[in-house]
Amino acid sequence: AQKITQTQPGMFVQEKEAVTLDCTYDTSDPSYGLFWYKQPSSGEMIFLIYQGSYDQQNATEGRYSLNFQKARKSANLVISASQLGDSAMYFCAMRENDMRFGAGTRLTVKP
Amino acid sequence: GAVVSQHPSRVICKSGTSVKIECRSLDFQATTMFWYRQFPKQSLMLMATSNEGSKATYEQGVEKDKFLINHASLTLSTLTVTSAHPEDSSFYICSATRWGKDEKLFFGSGTQLSVL
Repeated sequence: AQKITQTQPGMFVQEKEAVTLDCTYDTSDPSYGLFWYKQPSSGEMIFLIYQGSYDQQNATEGRYSLNFQKARKSANLVISASQLGDSAMYFCAMRENDMRFGAGTRLTVKP
Repeated sequence: GAVVSQHPSRVICKSGTSVKIECRSLDFQATTMFWYRQFPKQSLMLMATSNEGSKATYEQGVEKDKFLINHASLTLSTLTVTSAHPEDSSFYICSATRWGKDEKLFFGSGTQLSVL
């Protein structure tokens, strides 16, 4: 069964605006970690942000923030002040005993 | 930051040959390494989990005799695609962790395999 769900195959955002990429997950393990990665066309995986299941506050890393709603099992990524260089694939991932990825969202930033 | 080196970055081979892909953690000891496969415009699919000194744990549907994984040391894991066929053409990417110390997962740069 799919444990990580990203329901947005593609998203568009205007440059300088904020965008939210959705991610929901399913686990019965009380200890887990949630990650977001960016994958440009080069194929490299770029770490963006991490949220632990026991973390009380939402994680933030520069223009990236993670909207962690534990009861709803959602971990949405918010990118503020979008830049053209943000255009890429974005993957949500969950760590339990291993590390699995959602289907991804292709973000396109329009000038 | 920690670096994971993956080689080769690109390989083209004839059908029936075997290809070895190396994944090295350059400045940390990796407790666990993961191997993923990614088809164009798709997500990373976990193939196997590799712990140093023990046999790899393969995901359902991944042939262990075809995709040989060796994790001989805390800094090196290899994936060998044996008797490669065109359907094995894909992007293979490794990652290494030091879980137990921190939560981070570090990725190699990936290997694009093309089997003719």
